Amino acid sequence: DVVMTQSPLSLPVTLGQPASISCRSSQSLVHSNGNTYLNWFQQRPGQSPRRLIYKASNRDSGVPDRFSGSGSGTDFTLKISRVEAEDVGFYYCMQASHWPRTFGQGTKLEIK
Amino acid sequence: EVQVVESGGGLVQPGGSLRLSCTASGFTFSSYSMNWVRQAPGKGLEWVSFIFDTGSSIEYADSVKGRFTISRDNAKNSVYLQMNSLTAEDTAVYYCVRGREGFDYWGQGTLVTVSS
Repeated sequence: DVVMTQSPLSLPVTLGQPASISCRSSQSLVHSNGNTYLNWFQQRPGQSPRRLIYKASNRDSGVPDRFSGSGSGTDFTLKISRVEAEDVGFYYCMQASHWPRTFGQGTKLEIK
Repeated sequence: EVQVVESGGGLVQPGGSLRLSCTASGFTFSSYSMNWVRQAPGKGLEWVSFIFDTGSSIEYADSVKGRFTISRDNAKNSVYLQMNSLTAEDTAVYYCVRGREGFDYWGQGTLVTVSS
């Protein structure tokens, strides 16, 4: 199975400051069709997960442009340019290039 | 508007069975693969099972293989998860999620509690 390793697991951030979450996979996420199926999800307290980023760097409709995804191969990053109060919650990366689909452990973002 | 609604959760004794349902609307259900993803209390996300749009391809996590069965009825815009031989480790919120790779729409989840 592809192991997804996120860091940090806890991320205290001051309002208005940037934040960055790393996600590393144990093998390349480049699919045989050339796509890289790496998703980022946000889960606010008491809510279902919501997709923010798909195929490593594509922002979903309605997602604020302060969120961005980057990376390739085995090394990926989710960045928030200026953290707002509504960004509090857990963030998960997930790979869908291989079976079984696997998630990172999750990163808890909180306001300092 | 795309909607995915799970039902069927509840309290079940160890060794028991439960069938979860997921009904979708707002998109052409028969054109999309579907998944079940679960989240144990206070824990992270775990992919459970996948079914292709036609039902011709199915995948399971090792943790549920041989105990859980995924199926779908495109005429009813529904996907199901039959869960047998349940243990305490299966206690979780179960989410129904659209897409083969995208996982773009999630339901609100249904809680399954396995306890005596």
